Amino acid sequence: RKEVEQDPGPFNVPEGATVAFNCTYSNSASQSFFWYRQDCRKEPKLLMSVYSSGNEDGRFTAQLNRASQYISLLIRDSKLSDSATYLCVVSGAAGNKLTFGGGTRVLVKP
Amino acid sequence: DADVTQTPRNRITKTGKRIMLECSQTKGHDRMYWYRQDPGLGLRLIYYSFDVKDINKGEISDGYSVSRQAQAKFSLSLESAIPNQTALYFCATSAPSGRGSPDTQYFGPGTRLTVL
Repeated sequence: RKEVEQDPGPFNVPEGATVAFNCTYSNSASQSFFWYRQDCRKEPKLLMSVYSSGNEDGRFTAQLNRASQYISLLIRDSKLSDSATYLCVVSGAAGNKLTFGGGTRVLVKP
Repeated sequence: DADVTQTPRNRITKTGKRIMLECSQTKGHDRMYWYRQDPGLGLRLIYYSFDVKDINKGEISDGYSVSRQAQAKFSLSLESAIPNQTALYFCATSAPSGRGSPDTQYFGPGTRLTVL
């Protein structure tokens, strides 16, 4: 079983709609959680950290469920520019070694 | 100018050749990392270095070596390239965020390596 698993998609989303997807992690000792965004053939960039209480950044909302060992990302009012691959990232107790999921591809269409 | 640069951006080589990928950063970060990305597998850590005198193996270090020539430079070598090392390679840097807080990693633009 992979340490961090994601539905590869693609999630085809009409512009303006809401899309949500999850990521599961296997190591219950994982300490920190992130969503990175990666555009086609580009480097990953940090989208947002995921906090235990859940957090929101504009149209993006991230949630953490430690009991079920998953994190989620919700995108409201999807824009064409939201089309990308979203990477779920988990770090262990040491904090500095990141484990990446395979990514979820989102395609926002007019 | 980009904070994290990688050279070359693209490279095609033959099986058995020695290849070096270079990474430079102007962010002043102590920590540097090398990852490879394969379709559907996410990024996997090859080696990482927390300062000039510190080198650590990552998840998939076999067939690779690294050199931390200076704080700003971290190179990755494939001693004898093989076709299954064909991948997209990323360098990343980070700086300590504070006690108990993980670093944010900043990635270079990537090197696309093809081994024939």
